[in-house]
Amino acid sequence: QKEVEQNSGPLSVPEGAIASLNCTYSDRGSQSFFWYRQYSGKSPELIMSIYSNGDKEDGRFTAQLNKASQYVSLLIRDSQPSDSATYLCAVNVNYGGATNKLIFGTGTLLAVQP
Amino acid sequence: DARVTQTPRHKVTEMGQEVTMRCQPILGHNTVFWYRQTMMQGLELLAYFRNRAPLDDSGMPKDRFSAEMPDATLATLKIQPSEPRDSAVYFCASGPSRGRSGNTIYFGEGSWLTVV
Repeated sequence: QKEVEQNSGPLSVPEGAIASLNCTYSDRGSQSFFWYRQYSGKSPELIMSIYSNGDKEDGRFTAQLNKASQYVSLLIRDSQPSDSATYLCAVNVNYGGATNKLIFGTGTLLAVQP
Repeated sequence: DARVTQTPRHKVTEMGQEVTMRCQPILGHNTVFWYRQTMMQGLELLAYFRNRAPLDDSGMPKDRFSAEMPDATLATLKIQPSEPRDSAVYFCASGPSRGRSGNTIYFGEGSWLTVV
């Protein structure tokens, strides 16, 4: 079982719709969760972080965390063609002691259709 | 504008040659990561430094890869000898490593390596 799993997509949504991206993780001790966006040919850029159960909103983005279910999601409201990118879920995995690694899922490709 | 700087941006080399990639982390960041990204595997963590000390390099093929931080402003990733299967984008990332936000990392633009 991979430590961080995402559906590779592509997830296709019409412009203006809500895009829902999902991620599951295996380490119950994980405390920090991140969503990165990566445009084709570019480096990943941080868009959201979440540490507590529940929802966290930032503009059109909402991150949702459920530690009991080991599930984190990202909602993008009013999707725009410029949101078309690969979205990477990242989870901080504790390997004991001072070792704390940020592990990424393989990403979900989002395509917003104009 | 603080950012992680990587060189070279693009490299094409022949199989068997040595490749050295360099990274300047964001000033003040004391954690540095090397990731490799391919279409098949996604982002794989190769090595991880905190305060210049290597904390984990379990994801790195030891026979040909080595990672070092000679000083706080420079991290290097070396492949010797290089093989075609090493063709990938190599990303360096850095983070502040304090409190919860210390788990946040910021990526450089990547070094695109092609081994022929």
